[in-house]
Amino acid sequence: QQQVKQSPQSLIVQKGGISIINCAYENTAFDYFPWYQQFPGKGPALLIAIRPDVSEKKEGRFTISFNKSAKQFSLHIMDSQPGDSATYFCAASGIGANNLFFGTGTRLTVIP
Amino acid sequence: GAVVSQHPSRVICKSGTSVKIECRSLDFQATTMFWYRQFPKQSLMLMATSNEGSKATYEQGVEKDKFLINHASLTLSTLTVTSAHPEDSSFYICSATTGWGQPQHFGDGTRLSIL
Repeated sequence: QQQVKQSPQSLIVQKGGISIINCAYENTAFDYFPWYQQFPGKGPALLIAIRPDVSEKKEGRFTISFNKSAKQFSLHIMDSQPGDSATYFCAASGIGANNLFFGTGTRLTVIP
Repeated sequence: GAVVSQHPSRVICKSGTSVKIECRSLDFQATTMFWYRQFPKQSLMLMATSNEGSKATYEQGVEKDKFLINHASLTLSTLTVTSAHPEDSSFYICSATTGWGQPQHFGDGTRLSIL
C-alpha cells in the first residue's frame, strides 16, 4: 500500500511558469515531509522540508504548502527554469522514526 | 555539508560474482544508514536500515543472506550483493542521517549491471 500518493506522474511547464506537485498521506503519525530532487543517474538531493506546525515554508523559488486537516502537501516551483527539469519525490516520516516513505515521483520538464 | 559518498558509481560483472558497495558520510557521523533500490522511472524502495554496530533491519521480501549489510563505523556502511544474478541489476542508493528526526542525505547511487 502506497503510504504517500503523488501526482502528477509527469509535468511539462514553460520557462518562467509555476510548477505544482501534490502529495497526500493517510498516516496521521507522519510529522516530517521532505521533498527531494533527482537528476538522471544521481541520488536524490534534499530540496526543502516542512513539519506540521507550519502551513507554508519558502526557500528561494521553492515553496511547500501544507494542509494538515486535508493531509496534503505540495511543492511549488516559481519561475521554473530548464535546469529544474528533474524527477521530484515527496516523502514522509513518522514521529521518532527515521524511515522515509516516498511518493512515486513526478518527472518535471521545463521547456524554454 | 552533509555529503554522502558512494562507491563505485557503476559496476558491470558476471553472474555469480559478489559485489561490494561502500557508503561513506564524509563530514558527519551517521548513526543510521539506509539502503535503497530503484528501478528505472520508479520510486526508491527501502531495502534495509542499519545502525552503527548492530545488525541491519531488512524490509519484508529482502533476502538478508543475499544483501549483506555492514555498518562498522559511524561513517561507513557497506552493501554486498552475494552471488549476483541478472535480476539483481538495479540502481542502489544509500542515505545517512545523524539521528532521529534528522534529514536523510543520499549518495549518488551505484548502477549495478549483472551480465
